[in-house]
Amino acid sequence: DIQMTQSPSSLSASVGDRVTITCQASQAIGNYLNWYQQKPGKAPNLLIYDASSLQTGVPSRFSGRGSGTDFTFTISSLQPEDFATYYCQQYYNLPLTFGGGTKVEIK
Amino acid sequence: QVQLVESGGGLVKPGGSLRLSCMASGFTFSDYYMSWIRQVPGKDLEWISYVSGTGTTIYYADSVRGRFIISRDNAKSSLSLEMNSLRAGDTAVYFCVRTITFGGVIPGSFDHWGQGAQVTVSS
Repeated sequence: DIQMTQSPSSLSASVGDRVTITCQASQAIGNYLNWYQQKPGKAPNLLIYDASSLQTGVPSRFSGRGSGTDFTFTISSLQPEDFATYYCQQYYNLPLTFGGGTKVEIK
Repeated sequence: QVQLVESGGGLVKPGGSLRLSCMASGFTFSDYYMSWIRQVPGKDLEWISYVSGTGTTIYYADSVRGRFIISRDNAKSSLSLEMNSLRAGDTAVYFCVRTITFGGVIPGSFDHWGQGAQVTVSS
């Protein structure tokens, strides 16, 4: 199975900050990577697919980049509604696997 | 709009069985792969099974293969997960998820999720 390692596991930031999360795959996965946001008590929500494509309706302050084994997810200017947990997910190989999540908290 | 509504969760003893159902609306159900994904609250997401739009292609994660059975009824726009030989480690919230395929046959991303059904395995 492909292991997805996210870092950091949690971070504290203020409204307006630029936030970057990294995701590393245990083997090369091309650009077959997605990013999700999950708020407490809710299901995850797809934000980015194919490593860098923005899902319809997702604000442009969210972005993703990378290929191979190393990926980044960035929120350019953190908004109050962005405090949540973010997960990466690969679809290069079965089983599809998720990273352990990064919790973005209010500083 | 797309809606996925799970039902059938609950408390079951180790070794017992439970059947989850998911009713879909707002899209042509048979056009999409569907998956079940589970999550222990506050912990990792684990994709456990998918079924193709026609129901002919099915895949299970190792953790549930041989114990869980996924099925769908396109006439009723419903997805099911029959869970047998349940263990404490199966305790989680189970999500019914619409699955976008890559190249039409390879599961890729999960674009719509149900609200989740709690399954608790405990004596």
